[in-house]
Amino acid sequence: EVQLVESGGGLVQPGRSLRLSCAASGFIFDDYAMHWVRQAPGKGLEWVSGVSWNSVDVGYADSVKGRFTVSRDNAKNSLYLQMSSLRADDTALYYCAKGSNAGLAAAYSDSWGQGTLVTVSS
Amino acid sequence: QSALTQPASVSGSPGQSITISCTGTSSDVGGYNFVSWYQQHPGKAPKLMIYDVSNRPSRVSNRFSGSKSANTASLTISGLQAEDDADYYCSSYTSGGSWVFGGGTKLTVL
Repeated sequence: EVQLVESGGGLVQPGRSLRLSCAASGFIFDDYAMHWVRQAPGKGLEWVSGVSWNSVDVGYADSVKGRFTVSRDNAKNSLYLQMSSLRADDTALYYCAKGSNAGLAAAYSDSWGQGTLVTVSS
Repeated sequence: QSALTQPASVSGSPGQSITISCTGTSSDVGGYNFVSWYQQHPGKAPKLMIYDVSNRPSRVSNRFSGSKSANTASLTISGLQAEDDADYYCSSYTSGGSWVFGGGTKLTVL
């Protein structure tokens, strides 16, 4: 059974940094691209970032480009999101999502974690 | 990376059919057969219902179906049931190498 467990969320002041982690199990981690998707309170889903199986291809939403960095450690079956220069509108539940294949050229996830909440506020 | 356009809400009675539309551009919905649909109940993670426009995961009821014409994709739910009451999101791959979601549609089963 695929399991994705996010951690690292919390309350952080505007302008500060935070690192999210996602521990994966139940599948061959380095066979799949991985993604971060967020959902602000009461709002819809927003794709944040994705990374291919070998980290060669990465992608970011315009709203986070230059501030967020996605990475993965296949030896540890883990996905990360380094977030810097955080703003109030980054407040959201951040989901880790398994890609449908090894690359980014696809657009669905069949497995999602339960999310970790990031709150940016002074 | 503009969000895809979905109706804010739709409703139907048990047993009826409803269709949710998802309109994008030639750079996303119209340019690729990479449209997917997710169901989300309150407080839960999204659940994949349709992928690659019209394919259904084995665990999803055949009451759910997807299609696409030009820049608009559609999700149809037939034989509405109470448990279908949820939010639904479409998603598409884009020419920029990213994903884009629709704003979401709240389905109310009357």
